[in-house]
Parts: sequence; C-alpha cells; structure tokens
Amino acid sequence: GDKVKQSPSALSLQEGTNSALRCNFSIAATTVQWFLQNPRGSLINLFYLVPGTKENGRLKSTFNSKESYSTLHIRDAQLEDSGTYFCAAATSSGQKLVFGQGTILKVYL
Amino acid sequence: EAAVTQSPRSKVAVTGGKVTLSCHQTNNHDYMYWYRQDTGHGLRLIHYSYVADSTEKGDIPDGYKASRPSQENFSLILELASLSQTAVYFCASSGRLGGANQDTQYFGPGTRLLVL
Repeated sequence: GDKVKQSPSALSLQEGTNSALRCNFSIAATTVQWFLQNPRGSLINLFYLVPGTKENGRLKSTFNSKESYSTLHIRDAQLEDSGTYFCAAATSSGQKLVFGQGTILKVYL
Repeated sequence: EAAVTQSPRSKVAVTGGKVTLSCHQTNNHDYMYWYRQDTGHGLRLIHYSYVADSTEKGDIPDGYKASRPSQENFSLILELASLSQTAVYFCASSGRLGGANQDTQYFGPGTRLLVL
C-alpha cells in the first residue's frame, strides 16, 4: 500500500474559508516536508518539519511522529493558494523522500 | 536562495533515440535526485546520488541511467527513449534528510519530455 497517503485527493474552497490537509505515514518518518506545485508546475517549499508545529502566515503545519501523521492548515484561503499540495517523509536513513500522491486544491470566489 | 537549474526545459525526442537531461545546483548539497511526474500524478524517484561518481537506484530506475560527474552536476540518460517515458522530469538537491538540520529538498523547474 501507499507509504504516504494524502487526504483528501481534491478539495474546493471558497475564498476566505479554512481547511486542513492530512498525510498519514506507514513508514517511520523522522521529518516531513510540504510542497506546493503551482499551476505553472513549479514546486515550492512550504515547510520542513521535525516533530512539532510551524506557522508561516496563513499556513500552519504539524507533524506528529508518534501517531504517524502530518497536517497542513490553510486559513483564509486565497486564489493564489490553488495548486497541488504534496507531503513527503524522510526516514532515519536520510537518503530520500517518500512522496504522497498530492491534494489538488482549487480556491474560488 | 538555493538554486537548481535544469536543461533543456523541454525536449521532443524520437522513439529509440538517446536523451540526456542535465541538472546543476549551486547549493553545495551532497544529495541530488531525479524524479518523474506523469500528468495528474505525484513524484516518483528514478535515481539519486549522495556523492560524486556514484549513483543509486530509486523506485523506478528501469530504462534510465544517471551520472554524477561532480557535486554540482547530475544527469539523467535515456539510452533508448520510449513512448512511456513521456513525462515531466524534476531534479532536486538537498543535504542529508531526516535530521533536524533544515535540509529542505530544493527542486529545479522541470523538463518536459515528449517522446514520439
């Protein structure tokens, strides 16, 4: 099965609303990264997480290694938040990331 | 700002031909990676390297070779391109992952490859 499973697979949000994306891990993740692939195809770094929480503007992310999940909260969604969000986990070997399949987010007026 | 560049940005190749995709990083990172992304899908790891002159197989290495002639450069080689290798290819670099050293993986802009 999928080692990194993202949910939901797709999401539509009205501008100004809030939502949360989730990743569940079936591997022993030690760090998590979140990326946004914008409509032009570029992959943008959002967060690098050890267990704990980080916040950046309207985005907040938590990584709980004991319960093997990570969340990305989007507050006051804006049109420019649209794109595909990927989470990826590294294990203690430290050599590579395992990616989830992504959550497609569309923000509308 | 970390920088990873890829060339070419797009390419049309013929079935059976040889294709070389190049990646260059100025981040002084030990690790470099090649991924492919198919339309509507996530990223799959093809090959990676953690030191010059050495490469490792990723999750889908069949049909691809890799070369790391220096710390800064990492190439992906399709010796006999096939239709199924049409995809977008991303290169990335990072320090050693999995620790607390903020070793974020940085991606290049991608190369669109169309095999006809």
